[in-house]
Amino acid sequence: DQQVKQNSPSLSVQEGRISILNCDYTNSMFDYFLWYKKYPAEGPTFLISISSIKDKNEDGRFTVFLNKSAKHLSLHIVPSQPGDSAVYFCAARYSQGAQKLVFGQGTRLTINP
Amino acid sequence: KAGVTQTPRYLIKTRGQQVTLSCSPISGHRSVSWYQQTPGQGLQFLFEYFSETQRNKGNFPGRFSGRQFSNSRSEMNVSTLELGDSALYLCASSLGAGVSYEQYFGPGTRLTVT
Repeated sequence: DQQVKQNSPSLSVQEGRISILNCDYTNSMFDYFLWYKKYPAEGPTFLISISSIKDKNEDGRFTVFLNKSAKHLSLHIVPSQPGDSAVYFCAARYSQGAQKLVFGQGTRLTINP
Repeated sequence: KAGVTQTPRYLIKTRGQQVTLSCSPISGHRSVSWYQQTPGQGLQFLFEYFSETQRNKGNFPGRFSGRQFSNSRSEMNVSTLELGDSALYLCASSLGAGVSYEQYFGPGTRLTVT
């Protein structure tokens, strides 16, 4: 049962344009969402998070939007840079689960010069 | 501040053997979680420790176990290794155990079972 889904295995975007990565979830108990970036042979790196009481959180070039009614969140990267090429994971957790993260399958983002 | 460190980085074992992986969290972090990453199943939660107590456990067989020491360092053990245990094992640490604390991951230990 895939509680967190990233339906696009890959995404290709031109440098300077906006990258939009999407994530859907099924468990309404989730109340905290995170995005991680992963390079090969490294562990995931925390990017940005959002609490379920908010609908938007911004940090520099990264913005996460949360639509609770649709159980959907998205990560916007603008402008996209070549160094953003990596696998992006969406993750979720709920209060009773404490630190347990439920991950999506990941989206491989490629930024083309 | 040093990041999360995991040792060893690479390991090759034979079916039936057991293995112990080690994780040192970021200084001051008291919560340690373990994840398994495989191509087929993605990143899956194994267990979480806080102040030497297991707080949460994922859906893995009893062959997978862990512990945390008083200095917050953690180890995980897999006994009677199977081919399907080949994976990248990731450790993550966080300052506290609450839901709003971000987790910071180590580079992982790549385990190959032959």
